[in-house]
Amino acid sequence: KNQVEQSPQSLIILEGKNCTLQCNYTVSPFSNLRWYKQDTGRGPVSLTIMTFSENTKSNGRYTATLDADTKQSSLHITASQLSDSASYICVVSNTGGFKTIFGAGTRLFVKA
Amino acid sequence: KAGVTQTPRYLIKTRGQQVTLSCSPISGHRSVSWYQQTPGQGLQFLFEYFSETQRNKGNFPGRFSGRQFSNSRSEMNVSTLELGDSALYLCASSLDRDRGEKLFFGSGTQLSVL
Repeated sequence: KNQVEQSPQSLIILEGKNCTLQCNYTVSPFSNLRWYKQDTGRGPVSLTIMTFSENTKSNGRYTATLDADTKQSSLHITASQLSDSASYICVVSNTGGFKTIFGAGTRLFVKA
Repeated sequence: KAGVTQTPRYLIKTRGQQVTLSCSPISGHRSVSWYQQTPGQGLQFLFEYFSETQRNKGNFPGRFSGRQFSNSRSEMNVSTLELGDSALYLCASSLDRDRGEKLFFGSGTQLSVL
């Protein structure tokens, strides 16, 4: 069964600290994995896309990693800012059944 | 180019009424998908339209329906509203959702059912 699981469910960190969000998937055959950021009351916005051959990709203070063997991805946020407070959603696409599966998201709170 | 436009932004209805939400995708995008999000919950997939045809459907009751027009604009209808239908409804457009193309989301319609 195609599934995407994210952890932790929620996270509180102090401004300036780093954090790492996890995404495990069982989607197969794998096409790509995207991380989205969703601010409260707004639609999600794409941060990164990872394909099978990519291990690491950065977008400013956001760095995504992918281990296709263990079917795990992480999103690392460096030097967090108050504006990083949002939900982060992992989305995995499957080429075989042409499906796109959403994780439940990690809710990040950055405190001053 | 213009982003995804959803109207209205806010909506208040009473139980038993019906509602129609609208989504105008990015020009050139043929895929429009709809999602329901309740407070503290993840995005729940409703359905996806591609070139005027419903291609995928989530696990929602038949009260939730949609359609897509020849210009790719899409509407979602909810009949016989229930209190539990209060949520943020998001639509997303893409070149092709199920081939992993990037989703561009609108700002959503916040529906309150009283």
